[in-house]
Amino acid sequence: DIQMTQSPSSLSASVGDRVTITCRASQSIRNYLNWYQQKPGKAPTLLIYAASNLESGVPSRFSGSGSGTALTLTISGLQPEDFATYYCQQTYSVLYTFGQGTKLEIK
Amino acid sequence: EMQLVESGGGLVQPGGSLRLSCAASGFTFSNYDMNWVRQAPGKGLEWVSHISSSGSPTYYADSVKGRFTVSRDNAKNSLYLQMNSLRAEDTAVYYCARKKGFGDRDAFDIWGQGTKVTVSS
Repeated sequence: DIQMTQSPSSLSASVGDRVTITCRASQSIRNYLNWYQQKPGKAPTLLIYAASNLESGVPSRFSGSGSGTALTLTISGLQPEDFATYYCQQTYSVLYTFGQGTKLEIK
Repeated sequence: EMQLVESGGGLVQPGGSLRLSCAASGFTFSNYDMNWVRQAPGKGLEWVSHISSSGSPTYYADSVKGRFTVSRDNAKNSLYLQMNSLRAEDTAVYYCARKKGFGDRDAFDIWGQGTKVTVSS
C-alpha cells in the first residue's frame, strides 16, 4: 500500500498568513493527489483534486502543487473559516490512502 | 441537491455484525463509483472500501478485508456496508462518499454526514 505522510501534524498561524502543508508519498503518485478540509463534527469537503485543480466553489486562496512523492497545499491569506484539519489523499492506487492530517489552529 | 445519507450505525458487541446503508439523491447514482471512509474518535480519515458503479469490482483496506462486504442496489440508489466480526478498533464514524472523475481526477466530491458505530461490550 502507498503510505502518505503529512507535515506538519499541527500548525499555528494568524489570519492573513500564508501557510503550506506538505504531503509525502512512499512512492511516486504523479499528480494523483487530493486535498480535503474537515471541520469538527463535519464531513470532509474536497478542496483540490489532481494535485492542483481547485474544486468548484473553493476560494482561490487555496492552491496545490507538486508531483511525484512530494506535493503541497498552500493557503494564501488565511481567513477565520480556514482553521480546520486538512488531509491529503492519494488516488494512484485504488487502495486510496489518506495522510494523517494537519490541524491548522489560530495563533 | 446532491445528497448522501447514511444510516444503520449503533452499539454492537465485539464479534457482532452491523449493516450500514447510504441513500443517494439528486444525482444518477448508477453512474458513480462509491466508497466508505471511517474516522475513529479523535483520529484521521481511513479509507475502507470501494465499489464500482456496476457493483464490481470491489476493493477493501487490509484492516477490514474478509470481514466487511460492500454492495449496492442501483435501482434503490443505495450503498451498503455489511460489517461482520466487529472489533473494538472498528469503532468510528462511517462516511459514504461519491467518487467523481477518472484517472488522476478521481476524488471524493460528495460525502454523507456519517453514521456512528461503537463496538463495545
